Amino acid sequence: SAVISQKPSRDICQRGTSLTIQCQVDSQVTMMFWYRQQPGQSLTLIATANQGSEATYESGFVIDKFPISRPNLTFSTLTVSNMSPEDSSIYLCSGGRENTEAFFGQGTRLTVV
Amino acid sequence: SQQGEEDPQALSIQEGENATMNCSYKTSINNLQWYRQNSGRGLVHLILIRSNEREKHSGRLRVTLDTSKKSSSLLITASRAADTASYFCATRGTGANSKLTFGKGITLSVRP
Repeated sequence: SAVISQKPSRDICQRGTSLTIQCQVDSQVTMMFWYRQQPGQSLTLIATANQGSEATYESGFVIDKFPISRPNLTFSTLTVSNMSPEDSSIYLCSGGRENTEAFFGQGTRLTVV
Repeated sequence: SQQGEEDPQALSIQEGENATMNCSYKTSINNLQWYRQNSGRGLVHLILIRSNEREKHSGRLRVTLDTSKKSSSLLITASRAADTASYFCATRGTGANSKLTFGKGITLSVRP
């Protein structure tokens, strides 16, 4: 199975600030995704991180709020910008190959105060 | 929007009993997957079943898929307290680079 390393594991941030989450995957992964999981809820896909180009965002998520980079095959960052308490969630990085299982990082538990 | 819908939403059983969880979906799929999540941590992949398969086993897990009914079930036999977690089904669509869409999840509690 692929190894997905995500950091930080948790953070408490002031409203109005930004947080960048990093995700490192091993070479078995070709596709990378970012999910949000609000308390007690399921996972919602934020975007597909595309290597060397702009991410593909899902409905309801925009680049200005959630800028994503993927400079190479195995590394991606998600920034949560201008945070408000409504952004308090678990953010999960995922990787995998087409039409196979997905592997997840341990998540970043974000609390905005 | 979620593709998969699991039921029940919550399940509480005694250790040693079997746990059955169901998932229904709406559109054509390439495969269906089941994941486990412990206490808000990362998801762990349990099993993947492709659209041309009807049943798969992995240890104490048995998954079935009925594409005519657009439904799947996950059976955990001889449950243990350590099986206490949230379980999610996720579907992969048929298009190229199709994304994985998760259901709302089932909370399983196994009482020792």
